Amino acid sequence: DTAVSQTPKYLVTQMGNDKSIKCEQNLGHDTMYWYKQDSKKFLKIMFSYNNKELIINETVPNRFSPKSPDKAHLNLHINSLELGDSAVYFCASSGGASGVYEQYFGPGTRLTVT
Amino acid sequence: AQKVTQAQTEISVVEKEDVTLDCVYETRDTTYYLFWYKQPPSGELVFLIRRNSFDEQNEISGRYSWNFQKSTSSFNFTITASQVVDSAVYFCALSGSSNTGKLIFGQGTTLQVKP
Repeated sequence: DTAVSQTPKYLVTQMGNDKSIKCEQNLGHDTMYWYKQDSKKFLKIMFSYNNKELIINETVPNRFSPKSPDKAHLNLHINSLELGDSAVYFCASSGGASGVYEQYFGPGTRLTVT
Repeated sequence: AQKVTQAQTEISVVEKEDVTLDCVYETRDTTYYLFWYKQPPSGELVFLIRRNSFDEQNEISGRYSWNFQKSTSSFNFTITASQVVDSAVYFCALSGSSNTGKLIFGQGTTLQVKP
Protein backbone atom coordinates (compact mmCIF):
# COMPACT_ATOMS: atom_id res chain seq x y z
CA ASP A 1 0.00 0.00 0.00
CA THR A 2 1.27 3.44 -0.91
CA ALA A 3 1.65 5.56 2.23
CA VAL A 4 1.64 9.00 0.58
CA SER A 5 0.36 9.23 -2.96
CA GLN A 6 0.20 12.11 -5.40
CA THR A 7 -1.60 12.57 -8.68
CA PRO A 8 -0.62 13.24 -11.33
CA LYS A 9 3.01 12.16 -11.44
CA TYR A 10 3.69 14.34 -14.46
CA LEU A 11 1.91 17.51 -15.47
CA VAL A 12 2.71 19.45 -18.63
CA THR A 13 0.72 22.59 -19.24
CA GLN A 14 0.89 26.01 -20.83
CA MET A 15 1.44 29.36 -19.20
CA GLY A 16 -1.69 30.94 -17.86
CA ASN A 17 -3.51 27.68 -17.18
CA ASP A 18 -4.86 26.58 -13.79
CA LYS A 19 -3.95 23.14 -12.47
CA SER A 20 -4.31 21.04 -9.33
CA ILE A 21 -2.18 18.39 -7.70
CA LYS A 22 -3.79 15.95 -5.29
CA CYS A 23 -2.22 14.26 -2.29
CA GLU A 24 -3.51 11.51 -0.05
CA GLN A 25 -1.94 9.72 2.90
CA ASN A 26 -3.12 6.51 4.53
CA LEU A 27 -0.80 6.67 7.52
CA GLY A 28 -3.35 8.24 9.85
CA HIS A 29 -1.12 11.30 10.22
CA ASP A 30 -2.38 14.65 11.45
CA THR A 31 -0.03 16.91 9.52
CA MET A 32 0.58 17.33 5.80
CA TYR A 33 2.97 19.48 3.81
CA TRP A 34 3.78 20.74 0.34
CA TYR A 35 7.41 21.21 -0.71
CA LYS A 36 8.86 22.54 -3.94
CA GLN A 37 12.09 21.13 -5.42
CA ASP A 38 13.67 23.36 -8.02
CA SER A 39 15.93 22.43 -10.92
CA LYS A 40 18.97 22.56 -8.63
CA LYS A 41 17.35 20.01 -6.32
CA PHE A 42 16.80 22.57 -3.58
CA LEU A 43 13.82 21.66 -1.38
CA LYS A 44 11.72 24.35 0.25
CA ILE A 45 8.54 24.13 2.26
CA MET A 46 5.49 25.90 0.92
CA PHE A 47 2.55 25.00 3.16
CA SER A 48 1.62 22.83 6.10
CA TYR A 49 -1.73 21.78 7.50
CA ASN A 50 -2.36 20.26 10.90
CA ASN A 51 -5.78 18.72 11.43
CA LYS A 52 -7.02 20.66 8.41
CA GLU A 53 -5.73 23.95 9.79
CA LEU A 54 -3.09 25.94 7.92
CA ILE A 55 0.01 26.32 10.12
CA ILE A 56 2.76 27.15 7.65
CA ASN A 57 2.36 29.54 4.75
CA GLU A 58 5.78 30.47 3.44
CA THR A 59 6.41 33.33 1.05
CA VAL A 60 4.56 31.75 -1.81
CA PRO A 61 2.66 33.67 -4.53
CA ASN A 62 -1.04 33.75 -3.78
CA ARG A 63 -1.57 31.97 -7.10
CA PHE A 64 -0.85 28.87 -5.02
CA SER A 65 -3.71 27.77 -2.81
CA PRO A 66 -3.69 24.64 -0.68
CA LYS A 67 -6.89 22.95 0.41
CA SER A 68 -7.34 20.23 2.99
CA PRO A 69 -10.81 18.66 2.82
CA ASP A 70 -9.87 16.22 5.57
CA LYS A 71 -6.77 15.06 7.48
CA ALA A 72 -5.88 12.50 4.84
CA HIS A 73 -5.90 14.87 1.88
CA LEU A 74 -4.02 18.01 0.95
CA ASN A 75 -4.43 19.41 -2.52
CA LEU A 76 -2.51 22.18 -4.23
CA HIS A 77 -4.19 24.45 -6.75
CA ILE A 78 -2.13 26.76 -8.91
CA ASN A 79 -3.67 29.62 -10.87
CA SER A 80 -2.21 31.41 -13.89
CA LEU A 81 0.80 29.15 -14.19
CA GLU A 82 4.15 30.74 -15.00
CA LEU A 83 7.36 29.33 -16.44
CA GLY A 84 9.03 29.68 -13.04
CA ASP A 85 6.50 27.32 -11.49
CA SER A 86 8.17 24.42 -13.29
CA ALA A 87 9.51 22.17 -10.54
CA VAL A 88 8.86 18.94 -8.70
CA TYR A 89 6.23 19.29 -5.99
CA PHE A 90 6.32 16.90 -3.07
CA CYS A 91 3.58 16.20 -0.61
CA ALA A 92 4.55 14.85 2.81
CA SER A 93 2.88 13.83 6.05
CA SER A 94 3.92 13.36 9.66
CA GLY A 95 2.37 12.18 12.89
CA GLY A 96 2.14 15.69 14.27
CA ALA A 97 3.24 19.27 13.78
CA SER A 98 6.23 18.98 16.09
CA GLY A 99 9.71 18.65 14.69
CA VAL A 100 10.07 15.36 16.54
CA TYR A 101 8.10 13.58 13.83
CA GLU A 102 9.77 12.41 10.67
CA GLN A 103 8.05 13.28 7.44
CA TYR A 104 7.11 10.77 4.80
CA PHE A 105 7.09 11.99 1.24
CA GLY A 106 5.01 11.20 -1.77
CA PRO A 107 6.60 10.30 -5.11
CA GLY A 108 6.49 13.88 -6.36
CA THR A 109 4.69 15.61 -9.22
CA ARG A 110 6.89 16.99 -11.97
CA LEU A 111 5.23 20.14 -13.29
CA THR A 112 6.44 21.56 -16.59
CA VAL A 113 5.05 24.88 -17.75
CA THR A 114 5.64 25.72 -21.41
CA ALA B 1 17.63 31.89 11.53
CA GLN B 2 18.03 28.21 10.88
CA LYS B 3 20.33 26.93 8.20
CA VAL B 4 21.75 23.64 6.95
CA THR B 5 24.90 23.50 4.88
CA GLN B 6 26.10 20.54 2.87
CA ALA B 7 29.34 21.81 1.43
CA GLN B 8 29.98 18.80 -0.79
CA THR B 9 27.95 19.21 -3.95
CA GLU B 10 29.08 16.00 -5.60
CA ILE B 11 31.12 13.04 -4.46
CA SER B 12 32.29 10.19 -6.65
CA VAL B 13 33.68 6.97 -5.20
CA VAL B 14 34.42 3.48 -6.40
CA GLU B 15 32.36 0.62 -5.04
CA LYS B 16 33.46 -0.68 -1.62
CA GLU B 17 35.03 2.61 -0.63
CA ASP B 18 33.83 4.33 2.53
CA VAL B 19 32.36 7.79 2.09
CA THR B 20 31.32 10.52 4.53
CA LEU B 21 28.74 13.15 3.73
CA ASP B 22 29.09 16.32 5.76
CA CYS B 23 26.27 18.35 7.28
CA VAL B 24 26.63 21.52 9.34
CA TYR B 25 23.65 23.25 10.85
CA GLU B 26 22.79 26.55 12.53
CA THR B 27 19.97 27.11 14.99
CA ARG B 28 19.26 29.08 18.12
CA ASP B 29 16.80 26.52 19.41
CA THR B 30 17.94 24.41 22.33
CA THR B 31 15.69 21.58 21.22
CA TYR B 32 15.88 20.60 17.59
CA TYR B 33 15.86 17.57 15.34
CA LEU B 34 18.15 16.52 12.54
CA PHE B 35 17.30 14.25 9.64
CA TRP B 36 18.84 12.56 6.66
CA TYR B 37 16.87 11.75 3.52
CA LYS B 38 17.91 9.85 0.40
CA GLN B 39 16.66 10.73 -3.08
CA PRO B 40 17.59 7.96 -5.55
CA PRO B 41 17.46 8.54 -9.31
CA SER B 42 13.82 7.43 -9.30
CA GLY B 43 13.04 10.69 -7.48
CA GLU B 44 11.28 9.77 -4.27
CA LEU B 45 12.51 11.02 -0.89
CA VAL B 46 13.29 8.29 1.58
CA PHE B 47 13.61 8.95 5.31
CA LEU B 48 16.82 7.52 6.76
CA ILE B 49 17.22 8.80 10.30
CA ARG B 50 16.09 11.36 12.89
CA ARG B 51 18.30 12.58 15.71
CA ASN B 52 17.21 14.67 18.72
CA SER B 53 19.43 17.49 19.90
CA PHE B 54 19.70 16.01 23.37
CA ASP B 55 20.89 12.63 22.17
CA GLU B 56 24.46 12.72 20.94
CA GLN B 57 24.89 8.99 20.67
CA ASN B 58 26.15 7.89 17.32
CA GLU B 59 23.97 5.51 15.41
CA ILE B 60 24.75 2.59 13.16
CA SER B 61 22.35 0.84 10.84
CA GLY B 62 24.00 -1.76 8.70
CA ARG B 63 26.49 0.01 6.41
CA TYR B 64 25.16 3.43 7.46
CA SER B 65 26.38 5.38 10.46
CA TRP B 66 25.77 8.87 11.73
CA ASN B 67 28.00 11.07 13.85
CA PHE B 68 26.26 13.88 15.72
CA GLN B 69 28.49 16.47 17.40
CA LYS B 70 26.80 19.46 19.02
CA SER B 71 30.17 21.09 19.72
CA THR B 72 30.76 21.51 15.99
CA SER B 73 27.07 21.66 14.96
CA SER B 74 27.59 18.75 12.63
CA PHE B 75 25.62 15.64 11.76
CA ASN B 76 27.72 13.63 9.35
CA PHE B 77 26.68 10.49 7.52
CA THR B 78 29.07 7.68 6.63
CA ILE B 79 28.42 4.84 4.22
CA THR B 80 30.79 1.93 4.70
CA ALA B 81 31.68 -0.31 1.77
CA SER B 82 29.60 1.73 -0.65
CA GLN B 83 27.53 0.03 -3.32
CA VAL B 84 26.19 1.22 -6.67
CA VAL B 85 22.68 1.27 -5.18
CA ASP B 86 23.86 3.97 -2.78
CA SER B 87 24.08 6.39 -5.70
CA ALA B 88 21.61 9.14 -4.88
CA VAL B 89 21.23 12.68 -3.65
CA TYR B 90 21.40 12.84 0.12
CA PHE B 91 19.77 15.63 2.07
CA CYS B 92 20.40 16.71 5.61
CA ALA B 93 17.53 18.61 7.24
CA LEU B 94 16.75 20.46 10.45
CA SER B 95 13.54 21.05 12.36
CA GLY B 96 13.37 23.40 15.31
CA SER B 97 11.25 23.61 18.41
CA SER B 98 8.32 25.48 16.85
CA ASN B 99 5.16 23.44 16.58
CA THR B 100 5.05 23.45 12.81
CA GLY B 101 7.33 20.60 11.79
CA LYS B 102 8.96 22.87 9.24
CA LEU B 103 12.00 21.15 7.71
CA ILE B 104 14.96 23.21 6.56
CA PHE B 105 16.92 21.26 3.98
CA GLY B 106 20.55 21.49 2.99
CA GLN B 107 21.48 21.81 -0.65
CA GLY B 108 22.00 18.07 -0.99
CA THR B 109 25.07 16.00 -1.87
CA THR B 110 25.03 13.91 -5.02
CA LEU B 111 26.83 10.63 -4.42
CA GLN B 112 27.92 8.58 -7.37
CA VAL B 113 29.23 5.11 -6.66
CA LYS B 114 31.00 3.58 -9.63
CA PRO B 115 31.36 -0.18 -10.10
